[in-house]
Amino acid sequence: QVQLVQSGAEVKKPGASVKVSCKASGYTFTSYKMHWVRQAPGQGLQYMGIIYPSGGSARYAQKFQGRVTMTRDTSTTTVYMEVSSLTSEDTAVYYCAREGSSLCYFDFWGQGTVVTVSS
Amino acid sequence: EIVLTQSPGTLSLSPGERATLSCRATQSVSSNYLAWYQQKPGQAPRLLIHGATNRATGIPDRFSGSGSGTDFTLTISRLEPEDFAVYYCQQFGSSMYTFGQGTKLEIK
Repeated sequence: QVQLVQSGAEVKKPGASVKVSCKASGYTFTSYKMHWVRQAPGQGLQYMGIIYPSGGSARYAQKFQGRVTMTRDTSTTTVYMEVSSLTSEDTAVYYCAREGSSLCYFDFWGQGTVVTVSS
Repeated sequence: EIVLTQSPGTLSLSPGERATLSCRATQSVSSNYLAWYQQKPGQAPRLLIHGATNRATGIPDRFSGSGSGTDFTLTISRLEPEDFAVYYCQQFGSSMYTFGQGTKLEIK
């Protein structure tokens, strides 16, 4: 069965970076695009970007360009998302989500990683 | 960027009633690229509908999606206690993915 298992909660100081992992299993890792979505406390879902596990290329939502980097390791079927120059506004739950085979929707989600930015 | 506006913000209904949730886009959205999700507190979103009308695997048939162009609807025919949650629509267009702000479905 498809599973996306994310790394544990993080607490960071303003200005630091955080790297969240998402380990995929139960399907052919390189055959499905992976996305990242975040949710600030009490708020809605915010799209961050996409990574193509087959070739490793990534594309980011405009809001996050220059501050977010998405990578993957095919040997461990894991994708990573790093956010730099953290501020309190980056406090959120970060989700990885697999794109479905019929395209442009998210059929499986990780359990979420809580990132807290506080001095 | 295509903006999705969901209405109402909060919907108060009783179990057994019918729920109608709206998602309106600022530009025409391909029906192929409109999806709906359910999110309960402390949980990740769950895919309900993709391609505007296609139920995801394991989703009960009381959930249905309709619409085209700029207006889409999620209908829950008879509310069960487990259906009270927040619902989001999502689209892909102009090389961007966006979500609506959500509709909270609460017990009346």
